[in-house]
Amino acid sequence: DAKTTQPNSMESNEEEPVHLPCNHSTISGTDYIHWYRQLPSQGPEYVIHGLTSNVNNRMASLAIAEDRKSSTLILHRATLRDAAVYYCILREGGGADGLTFGKGTHLIIQP
Amino acid sequence: DGGITQSPKYLFRKEGQNVTLSCEQNLNHDAMYWYRQDPGQGLRLIYYSQIVNDFQKGDIAEGYSVSREKKESFPLTVTSAQKNPTAFYLCASCIVLLAGETQYFGPGTRLLVL
Repeated sequence: DAKTTQPNSMESNEEEPVHLPCNHSTISGTDYIHWYRQLPSQGPEYVIHGLTSNVNNRMASLAIAEDRKSSTLILHRATLRDAAVYYCILREGGGADGLTFGKGTHLIIQP
Repeated sequence: DGGITQSPKYLFRKEGQNVTLSCEQNLNHDAMYWYRQDPGQGLRLIYYSQIVNDFQKGDIAEGYSVSREKKESFPLTVTSAQKNPTAFYLCASCIVLLAGETQYFGPGTRLLVL
């Protein structure tokens, strides 16, 4: 599986935008970029995913570089409830294999 | 409500004992997965099943066993051969489609060895 690289931790202030980066320089043409987040003592939850174009949903936006070797998860207005570990994961389209999780980015939100 | 349920929330195991963790989903998903998470680490895949009566080993299958007799259920047994079973266990499911389908996770079971 292609690997991803994320910063270990990031800190932001409440009600400000947060940009979480992810590098995936060995991504293949059929890999989708998925983001999940995990709140303390809970199972991960899906945030967003995309292939080539930028994506928006009610939780976040995903900006994908033109060469697809990096992406950024954008939380437009962080709240204390957004404090979690955020995982950037590559997943082959059509595959039903398990997800490969790294250590993710621990996002800290300051009030 | 549709979703994934795991039970129990906490489970204690004695040395040499087998224990079974339950995972049930009513989402009509084809594929189900078991992951293990150690403190401060990401999730690691134990076993997965894409269809009833079939399953595949993940990255850390040794010391674990599974069954998939029904579409809704995917129980995980932690056997006595698993020497370090203390961890947070997560079950997930997804539809098998053609385009980057997402996984839905249960709340997890925390297993502790006495």
